[in-house]
Amino acid sequence: GAGVSQTPSNKVTEKGKYVELRCDPISGHTALYWYRQSLGQGPEFLIYFQGTGAADDSGLPNDRFFAVRPEGSVSTLKIQRTERGDSAVYLCASSRTLSNTGELFFGEGSRLTVL
Amino acid sequence: AQTVTQSQPEMSVQEAETVTLSCTYDTSENNYYLFWYKQPPSRQMILVIRQEAYKQQNATENRFSVNFQKAAKSFSLKISDSQLGDTAMYFCAFVFSGSARQLTFGSGTQLTVLP
Repeated sequence: GAGVSQTPSNKVTEKGKYVELRCDPISGHTALYWYRQSLGQGPEFLIYFQGTGAADDSGLPNDRFFAVRPEGSVSTLKIQRTERGDSAVYLCASSRTLSNTGELFFGEGSRLTVL
Repeated sequence: AQTVTQSQPEMSVQEAETVTLSCTYDTSENNYYLFWYKQPPSRQMILVIRQEAYKQQNATENRFSVNFQKAAKSFSLKISDSQLGDTAMYFCAFVFSGSARQLTFGSGTQLTVLP
Protein backbone atom coordinates (compact mmCIF):
# COMPACT_ATOMS: atom_id res chain seq x y z
CA GLY A 1 0.00 0.00 0.00
CA ALA A 2 0.91 3.65 -0.17
CA GLY A 3 1.47 3.93 3.56
CA VAL A 4 1.46 1.88 6.74
CA SER A 5 -2.10 0.96 7.59
CA GLN A 6 -3.23 0.09 11.10
CA THR A 7 -6.59 -1.28 12.22
CA PRO A 8 -8.59 -0.64 14.22
CA SER A 9 -7.97 3.05 14.66
CA ASN A 10 -9.59 2.91 18.09
CA LYS A 11 -10.44 -0.05 20.28
CA VAL A 12 -12.27 0.00 23.59
CA THR A 13 -12.31 -3.20 25.58
CA GLU A 14 -12.90 -4.43 29.07
CA LYS A 15 -10.27 -5.57 31.50
CA GLY A 16 -9.44 -9.23 30.99
CA LYS A 17 -10.43 -9.38 27.32
CA TYR A 18 -8.24 -10.42 24.38
CA VAL A 19 -7.28 -7.87 21.74
CA GLU A 20 -5.67 -8.04 18.30
CA LEU A 21 -4.16 -5.04 16.52
CA ARG A 22 -3.24 -5.28 12.87
CA CYS A 23 -0.51 -3.60 10.84
CA ASP A 24 -0.17 -3.63 7.06
CA PRO A 25 3.28 -2.24 6.13
CA ILE A 26 4.36 -0.45 2.99
CA SER A 27 4.65 -2.91 0.12
CA GLY A 28 8.20 -4.18 -0.23
CA HIS A 29 9.30 -3.20 3.27
CA THR A 30 10.89 -6.20 4.93
CA ALA A 31 11.35 -4.76 8.41
CA LEU A 32 8.38 -4.07 10.68
CA TYR A 33 8.36 -2.49 14.14
CA TRP A 34 5.82 -2.11 16.95
CA TYR A 35 6.00 0.73 19.47
CA ARG A 36 3.73 1.68 22.36
CA GLN A 37 3.02 5.30 23.23
CA SER A 38 1.45 6.05 26.58
CA LEU A 39 -0.27 9.37 27.19
CA GLY A 40 2.20 12.24 27.32
CA GLN A 41 5.18 10.04 26.51
CA GLY A 42 7.36 9.19 23.56
CA PRO A 43 6.97 5.85 21.82
CA GLU A 44 8.64 2.85 23.44
CA PHE A 45 9.98 -0.06 21.45
CA LEU A 46 8.16 -3.38 21.71
CA ILE A 47 9.34 -5.70 18.93
CA TYR A 48 10.65 -5.78 15.39
CA PHE A 49 10.54 -8.29 12.59
CA GLN A 50 12.87 -8.94 9.69
CA GLY A 51 10.74 -10.95 7.32
CA THR A 52 8.66 -13.48 9.23
CA GLY A 53 10.89 -13.79 12.28
CA ALA A 54 10.97 -11.62 15.39
CA ALA A 55 14.51 -10.26 15.34
CA ASP A 56 14.16 -8.60 18.73
CA ASP A 57 11.22 -8.87 21.13
CA SER A 58 13.02 -7.46 24.14
CA GLY A 59 10.57 -4.58 24.50
CA LEU A 60 7.48 -6.71 25.07
CA PRO A 61 6.47 -5.94 28.68
CA ASN A 62 5.34 -9.46 29.65
CA ASP A 63 4.05 -12.73 28.26
CA ARG A 64 0.55 -11.35 27.73
CA PHE A 65 1.93 -9.60 24.66
CA PHE A 66 2.72 -11.50 21.50
CA ALA A 67 3.19 -10.53 17.84
CA VAL A 68 3.27 -12.50 14.63
CA ARG A 69 4.06 -11.88 11.00
CA PRO A 70 3.41 -15.24 9.35
CA GLU A 71 3.92 -14.28 5.70
CA GLY A 72 6.42 -11.50 6.12
CA SER A 73 3.94 -8.73 5.42
CA VAL A 74 0.95 -8.08 7.70
CA SER A 75 1.64 -8.27 11.42
CA THR A 76 -0.73 -8.75 14.34
CA LEU A 77 -0.01 -7.64 17.90
CA LYS A 78 -1.94 -9.77 20.36
CA ILE A 79 -2.67 -8.83 23.95
CA GLN A 80 -4.18 -11.37 26.32
CA ARG A 81 -6.02 -10.65 29.58
CA THR A 82 -5.85 -6.90 29.01
CA GLU A 83 -5.20 -4.60 31.94
CA ARG A 84 -5.98 -0.90 32.37
CA GLY A 85 -2.26 -0.17 32.18
CA ASP A 86 -2.23 -1.50 28.61
CA SER A 87 -4.18 1.57 27.49
CA ALA A 88 -2.00 3.40 24.97
CA VAL A 89 -1.52 4.12 21.30
CA TYR A 90 0.18 1.21 19.55
CA LEU A 91 2.25 2.40 16.61
CA CYS A 92 3.50 0.27 13.77
CA ALA A 93 6.34 1.24 11.45
CA SER A 94 8.11 -0.33 8.52
CA SER A 95 11.33 0.18 6.60
CA ARG A 96 12.83 -1.15 3.41
CA THR A 97 15.50 -3.11 5.25
CA LEU A 98 16.39 -3.64 8.86
CA SER A 99 17.28 0.00 9.00
CA ASN A 100 19.64 1.40 11.57
CA THR A 101 19.31 4.87 10.16
CA GLY A 102 15.97 5.55 11.82
CA GLU A 103 14.06 6.23 8.62
CA LEU A 104 10.94 4.47 9.67
CA PHE A 105 7.54 5.01 8.11
CA PHE A 106 4.83 5.03 10.76
CA GLY A 107 1.14 4.35 10.66
CA GLU A 108 -1.42 6.42 12.51
CA GLY A 109 -1.59 3.97 15.37
CA SER A 110 -4.29 2.03 17.15
CA ARG A 111 -5.57 3.65 20.31
CA LEU A 112 -6.41 0.98 22.87
CA THR A 113 -8.56 1.85 25.87
CA VAL A 114 -9.04 -0.78 28.55
CA LEU A 115 -11.94 -0.03 30.89
CA ALA B 1 21.45 2.16 28.30
CA GLN B 2 20.84 5.34 26.43
CA THR B 3 18.40 8.05 27.46
CA VAL B 4 16.92 11.01 25.60
CA THR B 5 15.72 14.08 27.50
CA GLN B 6 13.48 16.86 26.25
CA SER B 7 13.09 19.41 29.01
CA GLN B 8 10.49 21.62 27.32
CA PRO B 9 7.04 19.99 27.51
CA GLU B 10 5.40 22.90 25.68
CA MET B 11 6.51 25.80 23.53
CA SER B 12 4.82 28.40 21.38
CA VAL B 13 6.01 30.70 18.63
CA GLN B 14 4.48 33.36 16.45
CA GLU B 15 3.97 32.54 12.82
CA ALA B 16 7.05 33.45 10.71
CA GLU B 17 9.30 33.56 13.78
CA THR B 18 12.10 31.16 14.70
CA VAL B 19 11.97 28.63 17.53
CA THR B 20 14.51 26.18 18.98
CA LEU B 21 13.60 22.90 20.64
CA SER B 22 16.13 21.31 22.98
CA CYS B 23 17.25 17.71 23.34
CA THR B 24 20.02 16.07 25.30
CA TYR B 25 20.99 12.42 25.31
CA ASP B 26 23.25 10.09 27.18
CA THR B 27 25.18 7.23 25.63
CA SER B 28 28.56 5.58 25.86
CA GLU B 29 28.49 4.73 22.17
CA ASN B 30 30.43 6.65 19.57
CA ASN B 31 28.51 5.72 16.43
CA TYR B 32 24.84 6.53 16.32
CA TYR B 33 22.12 8.53 14.62
CA LEU B 34 19.90 11.27 16.03
CA PHE B 35 16.51 12.31 14.72
CA TRP B 36 13.67 14.70 15.12
CA TYR B 37 10.22 13.29 14.45
CA LYS B 38 7.01 15.29 14.20
CA GLN B 39 3.66 13.92 15.41
CA PRO B 40 0.59 15.95 14.39
CA PRO B 41 -2.87 15.20 15.83
CA SER B 42 -3.26 12.44 13.24
CA ARG B 43 -0.74 10.48 15.41
CA GLN B 44 1.45 9.58 12.43
CA MET B 45 5.14 10.08 13.25
CA ILE B 46 6.96 11.87 10.43
CA LEU B 47 10.74 12.12 10.14
CA VAL B 48 11.81 15.76 10.09
CA ILE B 49 15.60 15.56 10.08
CA ARG B 50 18.45 13.12 10.73
CA GLN B 51 22.03 13.58 11.94
CA GLU B 52 24.84 11.02 11.75
CA ALA B 53 27.06 11.29 14.82
CA TYR B 54 30.26 10.95 12.78
CA LYS B 55 29.42 14.04 10.74
CA GLN B 56 30.46 17.38 12.17
CA GLN B 57 28.33 19.38 9.78
CA ASN B 58 24.86 20.13 11.10
CA ALA B 59 22.00 18.69 9.08
CA THR B 60 19.56 21.03 7.31
CA GLU B 61 16.23 20.35 5.64
CA ASN B 62 14.64 23.49 4.23
CA ARG B 63 13.34 25.47 7.23
CA PHE B 64 14.61 22.87 9.71
CA SER B 65 18.16 22.68 11.00
CA VAL B 66 19.94 21.15 13.94
CA ASN B 67 22.70 22.23 16.27
CA PHE B 68 24.58 19.03 17.08
CA GLN B 69 27.12 19.28 19.90
CA LYS B 70 28.57 15.79 20.28
CA ALA B 71 30.78 16.49 23.27
CA ALA B 72 27.90 18.09 25.13
CA LYS B 73 25.48 15.39 23.90
CA SER B 74 23.09 18.06 22.76
CA PHE B 75 20.89 18.01 19.67
CA SER B 76 18.56 20.98 19.24
CA LEU B 77 16.11 21.63 16.42
CA LYS B 78 15.66 25.09 14.93
CA ILE B 79 12.55 25.87 12.93
CA SER B 80 12.77 29.04 10.87
CA ASP B 81 9.82 30.97 9.41
CA SER B 82 7.39 28.93 11.53
CA GLN B 83 4.14 27.98 9.84
CA LEU B 84 0.77 27.02 11.30
CA GLY B 85 1.28 23.51 9.93
CA ASP B 86 4.33 23.09 12.14
CA THR B 87 2.03 22.79 15.15
CA ALA B 88 2.66 19.28 16.49
CA MET B 89 4.49 17.19 19.07
CA TYR B 90 8.18 16.95 18.31
CA PHE B 91 10.22 13.98 19.47
CA CYS B 92 13.96 13.66 19.61
CA ALA B 93 15.20 10.09 19.05
CA PHE B 94 18.41 8.07 19.07
CA VAL B 95 19.58 4.78 17.56
CA PHE B 96 22.89 2.92 17.65
CA SER B 97 24.70 2.31 14.41
CA GLY B 98 25.53 -1.17 15.67
CA SER B 99 23.42 -4.19 16.36
CA ALA B 100 20.53 -2.48 18.15
CA ARG B 101 17.72 -1.41 15.87
CA GLN B 102 15.16 0.19 18.09
CA LEU B 103 14.75 3.93 18.43
CA THR B 104 14.82 5.54 21.86
CA PHE B 105 12.54 8.57 22.03
CA GLY B 106 12.36 11.54 24.35
CA SER B 107 9.10 12.56 26.00
CA GLY B 108 8.33 15.20 23.39
CA THR B 109 7.74 18.94 23.09
CA GLN B 110 4.33 20.26 22.10
CA LEU B 111 4.91 23.16 19.72
CA THR B 112 2.10 25.57 18.96
CA VAL B 113 2.48 28.12 16.18
CA LEU B 114 0.29 31.14 16.84
CA PRO B 115 -1.25 33.18 14.02
